[in-house]
Amino acid sequence: DAKTTQPTSMDCAEGRAANLPCNHSTISGNEYVYWYRQIHSQGPQYIIHGLKNNETNEMASLIITEDRKSSTLILPHATLRDTAVYYCVLHGSSNTGKLIFGQGTTLQVKP
Amino acid sequence: GAVVSQHPSWVICKSGTSVKIECRSLDFQATTMFWYRQFPKQSLMLMATSNEGSKATYEQGVEKDKFLINHASLTLSTLTVTSAHPEDSSFYICSVRRVFGSSGANVLTFGAGSRLTVL
Repeated sequence: DAKTTQPTSMDCAEGRAANLPCNHSTISGNEYVYWYRQIHSQGPQYIIHGLKNNETNEMASLIITEDRKSSTLILPHATLRDTAVYYCVLHGSSNTGKLIFGQGTTLQVKP
Repeated sequence: GAVVSQHPSWVICKSGTSVKIECRSLDFQATTMFWYRQFPKQSLMLMATSNEGSKATYEQGVEKDKFLINHASLTLSTLTVTSAHPEDSSFYICSVRRVFGSSGANVLTFGAGSRLTVL
């Protein structure tokens, strides 16, 4: 699976939108973009995934550029409970299902 | 979505003993589970893929004789750390793979993790 690049850390004010970028310039045609987050000392939590189109669910929105070389996870109204490490991961639908995690972005939501 | 229960949450053991960690899929029949390990301030590292009814597939560098994985049913996978040593102290996390709708996308549901401390 292709590699992703994320900023090491970001801050966001409570109540504001948090925009977390991810670069995946070597993404291949069948690879989905997945986002997970891990709150301290807990197991990761699935947030959202997409292939080409922008996606939205009750947790977040995922914006994927037309060339698919980058994406942005948007938390529309960040709360203190959104403080976590956010992982952007690529995976092809034809693969085994195993996900390889990078270092992720530590998002600190501040009051 | 799938619900995954992991037990124990915390375990402390003496060096040289073996520790078993259970991962249960409570509402989903999981043919594939994954085991990860995470050291402090580091990302998750995939250890192995657990396949129901067959041998686990280990990632490069992971000792299969030290980290025994058994996936005897569609709802239970176990990881046994044999002859544990202090360097095996880590956060062990299991996950259940679920294929999302007709798209073929794979979504993982993770357990809460098991923190192992070897004295």
